[in-house]
Amino acid sequence: GNSVTQMEGPVTLSEEAFLTINCTYTATGYPSLFWYVQYPGEGLQLLLKATKADDKGSNKGFEATYRKETTSFHLEKGSVQVSDSAVYFCALSLLPGGYNKLIFGAGTRLAVHP
Amino acid sequence: NAGVTQTPKFQVLKTGQSMTLQCAQDMNHNSMYWYRQDPGMGLRLIYYSASEGTTDKGEVPNGYNVSRLNKREFSLRLESAAPSQTSVYFCASMREASLGSNQPQHFGDGTRLSIL
Repeated sequence: GNSVTQMEGPVTLSEEAFLTINCTYTATGYPSLFWYVQYPGEGLQLLLKATKADDKGSNKGFEATYRKETTSFHLEKGSVQVSDSAVYFCALSLLPGGYNKLIFGAGTRLAVHP
Repeated sequence: NAGVTQTPKFQVLKTGQSMTLQCAQDMNHNSMYWYRQDPGMGLRLIYYSASEGTTDKGEVPNGYNVSRLNKREFSLRLESAAPSQTSVYFCASMREASLGSNQPQHFGDGTRLSIL
């Protein structure tokens, strides 16, 4: 079946450190891939997306590249800030039966301290 | 621009009580979704509505019912609450489910539900 696996958290970093959150997926067909971010007490917000192999999504200094050969979509940021502290969810989207549904990973909590 | 609005934000119920969670979106989206979020499990789809007048089961529909009241509103009902339904519930909407898989979903802020 279709699934998403993320690295377990929490990930704790100092400000300005480099961030990588690993995400791999299993899917039949050709999914679109997303990273969503959830700040404390809020709903999920789309951070970036990629719709086909070798696409790179980017937003707010975060990047992720759709790697079909390794079925991965790792999230990276060169220099994290305290304000990046949140839970990050990797997700894929397919169109089984013609209706779009998201399949989420378990989420990775990031804590950035000054 | 409110986006997706969920009510209530918090609720405590006793086992066996019933409750309806409300969701409304003002983005003229056709498709709406209900998820539950549990620690270590990400979000799991309960029910979705691809368009007004249609609803379908997701991954974990047991113990829930939904109503797509109109294009804006999609409610989730617990007929007889159980402690296993303690969770954070999120409603989401998307412009048009059938147009393609690269559309983002827009989420509300969630309803934190505790069942004693």
